[in-house]
Parts: sequence; C-alpha cells; structure tokens
Amino acid sequence: QKEVEQNSGPLSVPEGAIASLNCTYSDRGSQSFFWYRQYSGKSPELIMSIYSNGDKEDGRFTAQLNKASQYVSLLIRDSQPSDSATYLCAVRPGNNRLAFGKGNQVVVIP
Amino acid sequence: EAGVVQSPRYKIIEKKQPVAFWCNPISGHNTLYWYLQNLGQGPELLIRYENEEAVDDSQLPKDRFSAERLKGVDSTLKIQPAELGDSAVYLCASSLDGQGGETQYFGPGTRLLVL
Repeated sequence: QKEVEQNSGPLSVPEGAIASLNCTYSDRGSQSFFWYRQYSGKSPELIMSIYSNGDKEDGRFTAQLNKASQYVSLLIRDSQPSDSATYLCAVRPGNNRLAFGKGNQVVVIP
Repeated sequence: EAGVVQSPRYKIIEKKQPVAFWCNPISGHNTLYWYLQNLGQGPELLIRYENEEAVDDSQLPKDRFSAERLKGVDSTLKIQPAELGDSAVYLCASSLDGQGGETQYFGPGTRLLVL
C-alpha cells in the first residue's frame, strides 16, 4: 500500500466550476498534510497546508481533512484557466519524511 | 528574497558518465532536501540535511549516488556512474527547519537525460 494515493485520472472542469481532488494516506499517525501545485515543467509550490480535522479555506481553495477516514481533499472554487496544473498531495507520516502522491492533473476549459 | 537556486537546469550525458548537481537554499534555511521526480510521479526524497548533517539518507542509492553539504549551506548531489534509469528531474528544496509542518520551498530543478 502506497503512503499517499491519488487515483483519479485527469480532471476537466469548465471555467467557473468547482474542481474536487481527493487523496488518501496509509499512516494513521500522520499529522501534517499539504497540497502543492505544479505547472508543467515547473517545480511544486505549496498552496495549502492543514493539520487538524475539518475545513481550511484560503481564497478560492479549501482543504478538507478527515483523519478517521485517512483522507484529505482540495476544492478549487470558481476554477480559472490559470488553475490548470498538476496538484500533488503530500503527507508527513511519523518518520518526518514528506511523502507525495503521484498528482492529479486539472484542466480548466474556458 | 531569492528562492532556491539550482544548476544546471538541463544536463544531457551518456551512460556511465558522472554528473553533479548544485543547490543553494534560501538564506537562513537550515534544512535542505534532494528529491527525484520521474515523469507522472510525485517527488521522492533522496536525502535530507539538517545543517551539514545528513539526517535521512535511507532512500539514497549509495552505490552510485553521493551528496554533501559542506558548511551547511550549498549542497552537491553526484551520480557516478549514471545509468539510463537515472533520467529524471532532480529537485532541491529547503525549509527553515525539518520539523513537521515547515513549508518546503522547491528550486526549479535539474532535468537529467542519460543517453
């Protein structure tokens, strides 16, 4: 079982719609959770971090964490063409090493 | 504030040749990371430094890979000899410290192609 799983294929959403991304993790002792955005040919950049159960909102982004179910999600409201990128879920399990999922590609269609 | 600097940005070598990558972290960041990212995959940690000490190198293939961070600032990652499967993007990142929750800032990466 992989430490962090992002299984959805490319996600196409119309401009202005909500994009929803999900991620599950295996280490129940994980305490820190992150979403990174990576444009094609560029390096990852942090867009959200979340540490406690519930929702955390930052602008058009909302991260949701459910430790009991071991999943973390990211919602992008009012999606813009500039949101087209790969979104990487990252989890810090007990060994203090940041584990990344393989990412989900989002394509926002004007 | 300058970001993480990496060089070279691109490198093409033949298999069995050596190659080295250089990273300069954000000023004041004690923790430095080297990651490997294959196409369509997330970054995978190779080594983590706290100042000049390698505190996590369990994922570093030590038969061909080596790294150093002299004086706790710049770092160099070396591969000798390179193999075809080493073709990937090598990312350097830094953070203020290595404790849980600290944001990691990534450099632009070095794209390596081994022919």
